Order: sequence, then C-alpha cells, then structure tokens
Amino acid sequence: DQQVKQNSPSLSVQEGRISILNCDYTNSMFDYFLWYKKYPAEGPTFLISISSIKDKNEDGRFTVFLNKSAKHLSLHIVPSQPGDSAVYFCAAKMGFRNNDMRFGAGTRLTVKP
Amino acid sequence: NAGVTQTPKFQVLKTGQSMTLQCAQDMNHEYMSWYRQDPGMGLRLIHYSVGAGITDQGEVPNGYNVSRSTTEDFPLRLLSAAPSQTSVYFCASSETVTGATDTQYFGPGTRLTVL
Repeated sequence: DQQVKQNSPSLSVQEGRISILNCDYTNSMFDYFLWYKKYPAEGPTFLISISSIKDKNEDGRFTVFLNKSAKHLSLHIVPSQPGDSAVYFCAAKMGFRNNDMRFGAGTRLTVKP
Repeated sequence: NAGVTQTPKFQVLKTGQSMTLQCAQDMNHEYMSWYRQDPGMGLRLIHYSVGAGITDQGEVPNGYNVSRSTTEDFPLRLLSAAPSQTSVYFCASSETVTGATDTQYFGPGTRLTVL
C-alpha cells in the first residue's frame, strides 16, 4: 500500500525552463513533507520541506507547493539547470517522526542543455 | 566530518549465506535507520534505532537483524540471504527521531545481489 505516489517515473525539460515534479499522498495524518534529490551512486540528500500548516515554501530556485485538500504536493525548479538532473523523491512524515516516514518511488529529472 | 558511511559498496551473495552491512556516522546522531530501495518503489524502512541499545522494527523487518552497541555504528545483518533481498540498502541518521525539521542524512548505499 503505497501511501506516497509519484506517478511520473521520468521528466525531461530544457535548460532554463521550469521543472514541475508531482507527488500525491493518501494518508491525511501526514504533517510534514520533504523532497530529496539523489545522484547516481550517492545517497539521497535533503532538498526542501514543508509543514502541513503552510501551502508554499521557497528556497532559491526551488519551491514546494502543498494542496492539502487534494493531498498533492509539487516541486517547482526555476530555472532548471543541467546539474539538477537527478532522481527526486517525495517523502511524508506522520507526527514529525522520522520512523514514520514514507517515500515515493521517485521521478528521474533530465535537464537538457 | 565524513557524515554517514557504508561498507561495502557492492556485494554478491548466494542464497542462504549471511552477511553484515556496516553503517557508521560521526555526527553524534541519536537516530539511525536502514532502508531498502527496490525498482518502482520508494525507500522502505527495515529497522531503526533511537539510541545505543535501543532498536525497533520498521515496515519490512523480516530476514534482517540489527544492533546498536555504540552511538556511531548500526550494522544490518542478513541471516540467510534470499533473492528477494536483492536491493540497494541505505543507512541514514538524524539528530533525533521526532524533530519536525530534523532531516535524515543518508549514506551512499550498498548494492546487494543475492543469486
């Protein structure tokens, strides 16, 4: 039972354009959401997060939007750069507990020069 | 500061063999965890520890054992390897288990193949 779903396994965008990665969740008990980025042969690294009391969080070129009523979040990268090419994992926590965290299957982003 | 380290990077086992995946962190983190990543699935929690001497099961614990004798080390033992345990294994750590903004730091992973 996948509680966090990333329905697009891959996404390709042109350098300089916007990348939008989507994530859906089913458990309304999730209260904290995170995005991790993973390069080949490396572990995931934390990118950006958002609490369920907010609907937007920005950090430089990265913005995460949360729509609680739709149980949907998205990560926007503007402008996209070739170095952003990686696998992006969406994750959600319950009760802010790291041992109650669920991950999506990931979306492979390719940014073409 | 090396962060989270894992050894080995790659391992091939035969069915029924046992082995230990090593994980160490040098950040004095209380919380450590093991995940497995399979194609088409998100990372799934195998076991976790909230401090030395304290471990508990995650989502997919069967076939694995852990122990935490020191703050730094959290080895994962495969008791009798099965092909279904072919996966990429990640160790992670964070300062605490319950911090809202407490993010986990991941090691580089161990790619395990069981024949």
